[in-house]
This record gives sequence, structure tokens and C-alpha cells, in this order.
Amino acid sequence: GDSVTQMEGPVTLSEEAFLTINCTYTATGYPSLFWYVQYPGEGLQLLLKATKADDKGSNKGFEATYRKETTSFHLEKGSVQVSDSAVYFCALSDPAGGTSYGKLTFGQGTILTVHP
Amino acid sequence: KAGVTQTPRYLIKTRGQQVTLSCSPISGHRSVSWYQQTPGQGLQFLFEYFSETQRNKGNFPGRFSGRQFSNSRSEMNVSTLELGDSALYLCASSALAANTGELFFGEGSRLTVL
Repeated sequence: GDSVTQMEGPVTLSEEAFLTINCTYTATGYPSLFWYVQYPGEGLQLLLKATKADDKGSNKGFEATYRKETTSFHLEKGSVQVSDSAVYFCALSDPAGGTSYGKLTFGQGTILTVHP
Repeated sequence: KAGVTQTPRYLIKTRGQQVTLSCSPISGHRSVSWYQQTPGQGLQFLFEYFSETQRNKGNFPGRFSGRQFSNSRSEMNVSTLELGDSALYLCASSALAANTGELFFGEGSRLTVL
């Protein structure tokens, strides 16, 4: 079955540091890949997505590139801010067949804390 | 535009009871999905409804059920509650019939089973 593996956290950084959160996946079909973010006390929000190999998703200074050869979708940001403190989830949607409706397969989540 | 609204936000039940959670999707969204979030298992897909029909179901026991109404609002029910059902239950909606993976999540209903 499909699965997503994220680097274990938590991750603690100082403001303006470089961020990388690793994500690898296994899928039976040709999935779309996502990063969702969950701020304290809020629901998940879509941060960025990529639907095919070599696509780069970007939003709010975050970037991730769909690497089919390494089955990876690592999240990066060049300079983090305190307001980026949240839980980050890597996810995939496998459109193969009718069993994909509404279904995202999530990684375990990575807690990011940014200190001033 | 109002987001996904879930009620109640918090509730406490005892083992053996049942619970019903409600979800109002974003206006115009016809697909509603439910997820269970726990520290141990993470986010797990429960089921998805579109136009009052369940199109997809995750690997949960039959105690977990749901339905969708003609106005796209959805409810999920858990019967004969167990301690392990304590979790944050998240509802998500989507505007599209196809599965694009772009879901809009509510803040969740936190269920505690004693």
C-alpha cells in the first residue's frame, strides 16, 4: 500500500536558519504530493503541492520538488521565522482507481519550533 | 467565505456510549472526508462522501459510520465507544468531484473517551 515517511522531529531552529524536512514515499500509482501545515489550535492547511515529476511547489517561501527517481518531496525554506512554528505533514494522493476519493496518506508530521 | 465548521469542538464520553459529530463544508463544496488524528497512528482516513454517497472508506471497524445530507453537511457516528477512540476527528471538504488532494480542513472535534 501507499506510505509516507517523514524525518523524525521535533526540529528546533533559530530565526533566519535554513529548514529542511525530509519526506519519502511509496505508492502503487503516480501520486500527487503535498505539504500540509497545522498551526497551533487550527486545522490543516495546504502549503504546497506538486502533481508530476520535477514539478516544484512553492508558497510563503517554502519549496519542495517532486523527485520520482528518489521518491522524495523534501520541504525547504531559506530563512524561517517564528511564525513558521507549526506541525508539517507530507502527504500523497494516489489517483489510481476509485479508492482514492477524499483520501490522503499522511506522514507522521514534524513539529517545527523557531526561536527568536 | 466561511471555512469548514465542525461541532462540537470538544466532548467527553464514557466507554460503550455513542457519539455523533457534525461537519458543515465550505459553501459549494460537495465532497466531505473524515480523518482520525491520534499521537500514535497519526492522520488516518475514515471515509469520503459526495452527493450523499459514500465513495471511499478506510480501514476502520463498522462502529464508525457516516452520512451526508442533501445540503452537503455530513455527520459521523461512532457507536460502542472504546478508550482507543479518543482522538481529534477532522473533517475536510473539496470543491471537486475528482480527487485532487486539495482539501480544506476544519479545526476538528476532540473526543475523549473515559
